[in-house]
Formats: sequence, C-alpha cells, structure tokens
Amino acid sequence: DTGVSQDPRHKITKRGQNVTFRCDPISEHNRLYWYRQTLGQGPEFLTYFQNEAQLEKSRLLSDRFSAERPKGSFSTLEIQRTEQGDSAMYLCASRSAKTSGAYNEQFFGPGTRLTVL
Amino acid sequence: KNEVEQSPQNLTAQEGEFITINCSYSVGISALHWLQQHPGGGIVSLFMLSSGKKKHGRLIATINIQEKHSSLHITASHPRDSAVYICAVLSGSARQLTFGSGTQLTVLP
Repeated sequence: DTGVSQDPRHKITKRGQNVTFRCDPISEHNRLYWYRQTLGQGPEFLTYFQNEAQLEKSRLLSDRFSAERPKGSFSTLEIQRTEQGDSAMYLCASRSAKTSGAYNEQFFGPGTRLTVL
Repeated sequence: KNEVEQSPQNLTAQEGEFITINCSYSVGISALHWLQQHPGGGIVSLFMLSSGKKKHGRLIATINIQEKHSSLHITASHPRDSAVYICAVLSGSARQLTFGSGTQLTVLP
C-alpha cells in the first residue's frame, strides 16, 4: 500500500454512459497526476494538479474528459459519453514538493480499471 | 519512435538467473524511474536515479546520461520477481513521467 487510494477499483459501463473516478493522494502531497494505461502498454500522462490548480493537460484528454481537485486534496476524473476506446486502467499518482527544488518520486494508486461495453 | 524504448518486451528466466532489462530514451531528463507492476495494476517505484548506480537488495539500477541508457539488473532471480518492469523518465514542465511499454518478466521455478 503506497498510501494513494483510488475508487472504484473496477468499473464496467455501457457506451454512452458517464463515469467518475476518485483519487485520494497521500495527505501532504500537493502534486497529483492522472495517467491512462491500455493493455500491454506503459501508462500515458493525462493531467497534473498542483494543489487545486490544473496546470497541464495532455492532448489525450479530449473534451469528454474533465478532472477536478476542488480543495487541493482528493481529485476526480470524469468521462462523459464513454466510448469503447476509453477502456483502460486509470492511474493516479501523487508527490510532494521539497523546498530545495529536488524532484520527489511519485507514489501510485492501485488504479481504476474501466471497461466500456 | 517512442521517447522511451525498453528491451526485451518479454523475458522468461529460470530461478537463480541474472536478469538485465534495458531502457533507452531520446529526450533530456532530470531523473529516471524503474517501476514494478504486478497483475491487478498496482505500480511500485523501485528506483529513482539521475546518475551512476543504485542497489536495493538483489536489484541494481544503472544509468548513463551521456548515452541516454539505463539498465535494471536482478541477481539470483526468484519466481516472486515475476512482474512487468517499466522504465519512466521525468520530463515536461509538470515533471510528468513518460513511460516505456514495459518488460514482462516471468521467472520459472
């Protein structure tokens, strides 16, 4: 257990439905990342939060995707009008930021596996 | 061409063998991660390094910044080492990770 939790762990939905995933990072971590991993591939970056501010979004994040981190703690990732191509593992990671500017490693949650039928 | 290339994609070894997984990258980086992913999805960071060599137990990671290459070695491999090993480099303004496609390692008893 890395200290990062995600809910749900598995989600099966029908094409066209909306889904929402939640990530709870390690409490003192102010940086939060969302990644997507399709079968047989490494994860790909989706978006990044520093506290409550969404500072970067990948081109992979289409208009159907939205992410929030309203109080700078937990984050949600919503997919609207799901498509079969959205089937993947959605991973959340968090890290702290040292004042020295040194990079700190990311800690990953267990992921939410989405299956769109 | 992917920014992070791993080889081999699949590796089967007998228990006790010495294992090497390679990672080459084409972008400038400030750090490189080796990660382990077990069935079910959970990812654990094994190493983060920006130069030289690190060792944890039977695992050794090396990096050559000039050649843009890193290796992960497992000595005296064991069936419990069976997992996907992923190389990831730190890049971008958000310091997000760019991942290789992973190496599926199977260690047979």
